[in-house]
Amino acid sequence: AQTVTQSQPEMSVQEAETVTLSCTYDTSESNYYLFWYKQPPSRQMILVIRQEAYKQQNATENRFSVNFQKAAKSFSLKISDSQLGDTAMYFCAFMKTLAGGGAGSYQLTFGKGTKLSVIP
Amino acid sequence: DAGVIQSPRHEVTEMGQEVTLRCKPISGHNSLFWYRQTMMRGLELLIYFNNNVPIDDSGMPEDRFSAKMPNASFSTLKIQPSEPRDSAVYFCASSPILSTRLNQPQHFGDGTRLSIL
Repeated sequence: AQTVTQSQPEMSVQEAETVTLSCTYDTSESNYYLFWYKQPPSRQMILVIRQEAYKQQNATENRFSVNFQKAAKSFSLKISDSQLGDTAMYFCAFMKTLAGGGAGSYQLTFGKGTKLSVIP
Repeated sequence: DAGVIQSPRHEVTEMGQEVTLRCKPISGHNSLFWYRQTMMRGLELLIYFNNNVPIDDSGMPEDRFSAKMPNASFSTLKIQPSEPRDSAVYFCASSPILSTRLNQPQHFGDGTRLSIL
């Protein structure tokens, strides 16, 4: 079974500074996808960024970027120029296909989340 | 665009009562997911459907939980009888059916906060 570990239950960062959230996972698969989701106090889950395991280039979305280390099974999220609206829970997620399940059959595993507070 | 719609937003009921949570996925999305979020266990996938068919229900905690998807635009998650330990936020999410490239993100609803007294 896959496991996803977010070792930082809570973090804080000063507005405009940079913060990195860590995520490690355990799998024997070679082809999979990784995601970071953001959950603000409103509880809506928002996709922040995703990374395909077969791509060596780290994904980037505006102020959000990842450091994907496949050999180390590490997938950290870097938030640059932190804004007050970045205050939220952040979930790391791992996804792979289920063998023999056909199109659409896959397994998704989430970490327990990191609570990020951006301080004015 | 209308997103994933869940109802109710909040539910408070006494233990032993039946609870039904509802979800309307985004039109055209073929995959639907039910999640439960608690402080202790984080976000857990309970069950998901492809084209209205349950694919993996291994996350459903016990027989008191059941989920149905009678058509492409509606799903329910039912708990009967409910217990205090079922208190959590329940999310529904939908996505276009996955291709082998696994690159379709899930769109989440706002969640239902369930409190069992």
